[in-house]
Amino acid sequence: EIVLTQSPGTLSLSPGERATLSCRATQSVSSNHLAWYQQKPGQAPRLLIYGASNRATGIPDRFSGSGSGTDFTLTISRLEPEDFAVYYCQHFGSWTFGQGTKVEIK
Amino acid sequence: QITLKESGPALVKPTQTLTLTCTFSGFSLSASGVAVGWIRQPPGKALEWLALIYWDDDKRYSPSLKNRITISKDTSRTQVVLTMTNMDPVDTATYFCAHRPGYGSESKDAFEVWGQGTKVTVSS
Repeated sequence: EIVLTQSPGTLSLSPGERATLSCRATQSVSSNHLAWYQQKPGQAPRLLIYGASNRATGIPDRFSGSGSGTDFTLTISRLEPEDFAVYYCQHFGSWTFGQGTKVEIK
Repeated sequence: QITLKESGPALVKPTQTLTLTCTFSGFSLSASGVAVGWIRQPPGKALEWLALIYWDDDKRYSPSLKNRITISKDTSRTQVVLTMTNMDPVDTATYFCAHRPGYGSESKDAFEVWGQGTKVTVSS
């Protein structure tokens, strides 16, 4: 069973700063199967990135995904006020989610 | 436009069976590659994938819950049903259904569209 570990648990940053979120798998996975979601309080998750690096429809280009094998990264180049949320990675081959990273305002 | 909406009881008693329905529109669950999944989220906790059903009726279940859950689609293919037996207070969560696009230029191995979720509380 593949387990995804996200780090850090919480990221405290200011608007305009760069956010780097990590997702590590317990075994190598296909990049095609790695997705990232954003979730705000009281809302359903929203797909940001699929296939490790492809932005979903309507996602601003300040969001980017990278990585391969066991290590994947979601980068938000310059945080906007609406980006403060919880982010989850998912391995779609096993459908498991990471435990999430909360990006909060410093 | 693709939409999904979850429905079911807001409150169930311990040991009861939960039945949730995902009613969708804007896509066909008979189109190649299309799938609908169920995901839950306990209050203040992370997302947990539960089950998935593909267009060809292939079904996948979370290993930790496979003995308790069943996923099915109705003959009109506009609803997906999840049943979970022997409910316990730890199953209290918001339950979401979500759409995986089919094969083709828009194919993605991800849940592209989500329902709003339905909150289920397990309590006597």
